[in-house]
Parts: sequence; structure tokens; C-alpha cells
Amino acid sequence: QVQLVQSGAEVRKPGASVTVSCKASGYTFSRYAMHWVRQAPGQRFEWMGWINAGNGNTKHSQKFQGRVTISRDTSASIVYLELRSLRSEDTAVYYCARSILTPNYFDPWGQGTAVTVSS
Amino acid sequence: DIQMTQSPSSLSASVGDRVTITCRASQSIGSYVNWYQLKAGKAPKLLIFGVFSLQSGVPSRFSGSGSGTDFTLTISSLQPEDFATYYCQQSYSSLPSWTFGQGTKVEIK
Repeated sequence: QVQLVQSGAEVRKPGASVTVSCKASGYTFSRYAMHWVRQAPGQRFEWMGWINAGNGNTKHSQKFQGRVTISRDTSASIVYLELRSLRSEDTAVYYCARSILTPNYFDPWGQGTAVTVSS
Repeated sequence: DIQMTQSPSSLSASVGDRVTITCRASQSIGSYVNWYQLKAGKAPKLLIFGVFSLQSGVPSRFSGSGSGTDFTLTISSLQPEDFATYYCQQSYSSLPSWTFGQGTKVEIK
């Protein structure tokens, strides 16, 4: 079955960087897109960006301009999210979620990775 | 951004109750609305896409309706496993980003 398995929880200090991974299985990796969505405590989901797993093209929300990089390793069917210059407001659960290449909905989602930014 | 506003923010209901959650978009988004269920410590789950379409494996007690700016998720007979938080999401435009409602928490009465 289609499954997305994310890396474990992370704790970082302000100003540091974090990389979260999402390993996909159960489908042809290059035929889909992968998105990153986060949810800060008590907040709604916030879409961060996506990658076309086939050609590697990416797009991200302007809110994260200059701080986020989404990449993939097609040989291992893994997508990565790197977020730099972390601040306390980046404390959240980060999810990967699959879509078709013309995104319509997100399904399935990974189990989430808690990232805590604290001094 | 297209703003998505859900109501209520929370509700208390009993097993067997009919539950309705609404989602209003800040502009017309046609039929580009999806609904997700979130339980603590679990991956979000797609319930309904394109306003009406039930995702495979989702019980038929879940249904969606609406168009334009106003949308509804209905649970016809609430079951114990349905106590969760529900979110709407617009897939009409990614400019500048896809957006979600603030969530509706369904609690046991």
C-alpha cells in the first residue's frame, strides 16, 4: 500500500537548520508530487511547498522564501525538506503529503515530524 | 490568499448524532474543496475531495456538499471513531498557496 514514513522528532536552537525526510513506498515515486505542510500548536495547516518527484521542479510559499529547500532522491524514493534560520515560530509538526502532478488533494500524508525550536 | 473559515470551531455530540460542519471561502472556488480528518498522533486522512467524492475506504456516513463559497461536511450518524478534528482545504488556487480552514474539533458529549 502507499505509505509515507517520515524521520523522527528534532530539536534545534534558533538560527539553526533542520532537515526532515519522507520515504515513499508502494507506488511509482516519479509519477507524483510531494508537498510539505506544517501545523504549529493550535494553528491551522500551512502549506509550505512541493516538488515534482519526476523532474525535480519545486515551488514554495513566498512566506518561506530563501529559507526552505525541497529536494528528492529518486533512487531511494525520499523527499527532503530543509528549513534554515529557524525561529521559535517554526515549532510545528511537519507533514509530507502526496498529490498527482496537477495537485488537487493531498493523499496520503506522512505521520508527521515534530520540530521544536528552543534556546 | 483564499481564506477558509470553518464553523463551528468545536462541537459536542453523541454517538448516533448527525453532525454538520461548514466551511466558507473568501471567494468563489467552484468545486475545489477537500476535507481531512486529524486524530492526535496520526497522519491526517483524506475523507472527501472535489466537494462530493468519497475517498476509497471512507465510510458512507461521511458526505460533502456545496459550491462556490459555501461547503458542508456531514456525518450522518456519529461513531466513536469519528471524534477528531476536521479541516477543509481549497485546491482552487495555489497562488500564493493552498489554504486550510482552522479546523472543527468534534468532541464526545
